[in-house]
Amino acid sequence: EVQLVESGGTLVQPGGSLRLSCAASGFLFRTHSMNWVRQAPGKGLEWISYISSDGTTIEYSDSVKGRFTISRDNGKNSLYLQTISLRVEDTAVYYCARGDCGGDCHIDNWGQGTLVTVSS
Amino acid sequence: DIQMTQSPSTLSASVGDSVTITCRASQSVSPWLAWYQQKPGKAPRLLIYQASRLQSGVPSRFSGSGSGTEFTLTIGSLQPDDFATYYCHQYSAYSWTFGQGTKVEIK
Repeated sequence: EVQLVESGGTLVQPGGSLRLSCAASGFLFRTHSMNWVRQAPGKGLEWISYISSDGTTIEYSDSVKGRFTISRDNGKNSLYLQTISLRVEDTAVYYCARGDCGGDCHIDNWGQGTLVTVSS
Repeated sequence: DIQMTQSPSTLSASVGDSVTITCRASQSVSPWLAWYQQKPGKAPRLLIYQASRLQSGVPSRFSGSGSGTEFTLTIGSLQPDDFATYYCHQYSAYSWTFGQGTKVEIK
């Protein structure tokens, strides 16, 4: 069974930083691309970052580019999101999401999310 | 960025009804379009990918169609478990984007 477990979310002040982690199990992590998607309270889904299976291709949304850094450790079956210069509008549940790049490259599995609250 | 617009925003229906949700893209995304179901406090669940391919384990009452810029998700006979919010999602080009969601409520 695919399992994605996020951690690291907490209350942080504006301008602060945080590192989110996602522990993967139940599948061959090193063969799958991964994503981070967030959801502000009561709002819709927002894709924010992608990393290829080998970590060589990375994409970001404009809303986080230059402030967030995605990375992965295939030896530890883990995905990370380093965030800096956090803003109030970054408050959201952050989901780790697996890519299925068989025929195309869509998101097929999601973790339960970790809540990041940016507030003074 | 490609904008995704869903309609309606809210849909009231009864168990057994057939319902259709529409998603329009600001430019062609065909066929890189997925549909997700989300219940309150839960992670999204993949229903459809490549516009019309049913994800393994998803009931056959869910179907997707469309091409280019216009896509639909149809639930053939609404079941109590189907009351939720549904999102379309384009993965044709970065930045990937989602529709704003359609909440399916009990009438």
